[in-house]
Amino acid sequence: GDKVKQSPSALSLQEGTNSALRCNFSIAATTVQWFLQNPRGSLMNLFYLVPGTKENGRLKSAFDSKESYSTLHIRDAQLEDSGTYFCAAEATVTGGNNKLTFGQGTVLSVIP
Amino acid sequence: DPKIIQKPKYLVAVTGSEKILICEQYLGHNAMYWYRQSAKKPLEFMFSYSYQKLMDNQTASSRFQPQSSKKNHLDLQITALKPDDSATYFCASKAGGTGQLYFGEGSKLTVL
Repeated sequence: GDKVKQSPSALSLQEGTNSALRCNFSIAATTVQWFLQNPRGSLMNLFYLVPGTKENGRLKSAFDSKESYSTLHIRDAQLEDSGTYFCAAEATVTGGNNKLTFGQGTVLSVIP
Repeated sequence: DPKIIQKPKYLVAVTGSEKILICEQYLGHNAMYWYRQSAKKPLEFMFSYSYQKLMDNQTASSRFQPQSSKKNHLDLQITALKPDDSATYFCASKAGGTGQLYFGEGSKLTVL
């Protein structure tokens, strides 16, 4: 099954509203990262998280390693927030570079 | 200015041919990666390198060969191309074993 499962798969938001995206992990995630892929295909790192929360402007993310999930909250959605949001989990590998396992993404459309 | 440069941005190849995707990063990172994104699958880890040494290989086919001539270079040679290899290939880097991952703009490969 999917090691990193994102929900919802797609979401349409009215400009100015709030929403939350979620990732559930079936691997022992030690850190989580959230990315936004814009319509041109560029991937931008939004957050790098150890267990806990971080906030950056209108975005807030939380990672609970015990319950194996992470959330990304978007407040006051703007048109430029549209794109595909990916979460990725890292599980510690002894002696190696820890790789990220990505979810399938949430396609967000912000409409005027 | 982009800190991770990938070349070419777009390429078209015929089945059976060989191509090399170029990646240079100017972030001073020790760890470099290749990921693949196709329409059918989420971002998929391929290789990781640390200090020019292969750390992890999750690519089943030996047709994919990473090459690191310098610490900040990680090219990807693909031989005997197949239509199923069509995808966008992303180079990425981070400072160490754990940490925030940064992506290049991607190289979109189409195999006819």
